[in-house]
Amino acid sequence: AQTVTQSQPEMSVQEAETVTLSCTYDTSESDYYLFWYKQPPSRQMILVIRQEAYKQQNATENRFSVNFQKAAKSFSLKISDSQLGDAAMYFCAYRSTTQGGSEKLVFGKGTKLTVNP
Amino acid sequence: KAGVTQTPRYLIKTRGQQVTLSCSPISGHRSVSWYQQTPGQGLQFLFEYFSETQRNKGNFPGRFSGRQFSNSRSEMNVSTLELGDSALYLCASSRSGNFYEQYFGPGTRLTVT
Repeated sequence: AQTVTQSQPEMSVQEAETVTLSCTYDTSESDYYLFWYKQPPSRQMILVIRQEAYKQQNATENRFSVNFQKAAKSFSLKISDSQLGDAAMYFCAYRSTTQGGSEKLVFGKGTKLTVNP
Repeated sequence: KAGVTQTPRYLIKTRGQQVTLSCSPISGHRSVSWYQQTPGQGLQFLFEYFSETQRNKGNFPGRFSGRQFSNSRSEMNVSTLELGDSALYLCASSRSGNFYEQYFGPGTRLTVT
């Protein structure tokens, strides 16, 4: 079964600095999708960035970028120029395909990011 | 364009009762997925509906069921509530499904006493 591991329950960063959140996953599939979601205190989940496994180029969305290492099954999120509004829980997720062909999202346990002014 | 809406936002039920939660997707979106979020188990996928058909399903007991209407609105039902069903239930909608680009609602906080 596919699993997603976020080894850092909590992280903190100074405003304007850069922080990297870690995520590793376990899969035997060759084609899949990976996602980072943000959940602020309002609890509404927001898609931050996604990566298709077949793409070698790392995805980038403004201040957010990923370091996708397919062989190592690693998918870290880098937040540059951190802002107070970046404070949230961050979840790494993997789109899994079951043996029957159905799909589901598997989430990591999350990393709580604190941004210090 | 209006976002995903969920009703009610908060709910308190007694063990053994049943509950129905509602989710209205973004206009034009045909896929609705449901998730359960608890402190212990984290975020878990319940099921996905697309064009009124359940397309994908997570590992939850049969007490958890859902349906989708012709206008893409979806309901989730939990029968014979247990204390462990206390959670934040999130729904998400997308235009074509497959979890590629989902927009989440604010969630329904269910407390079972």
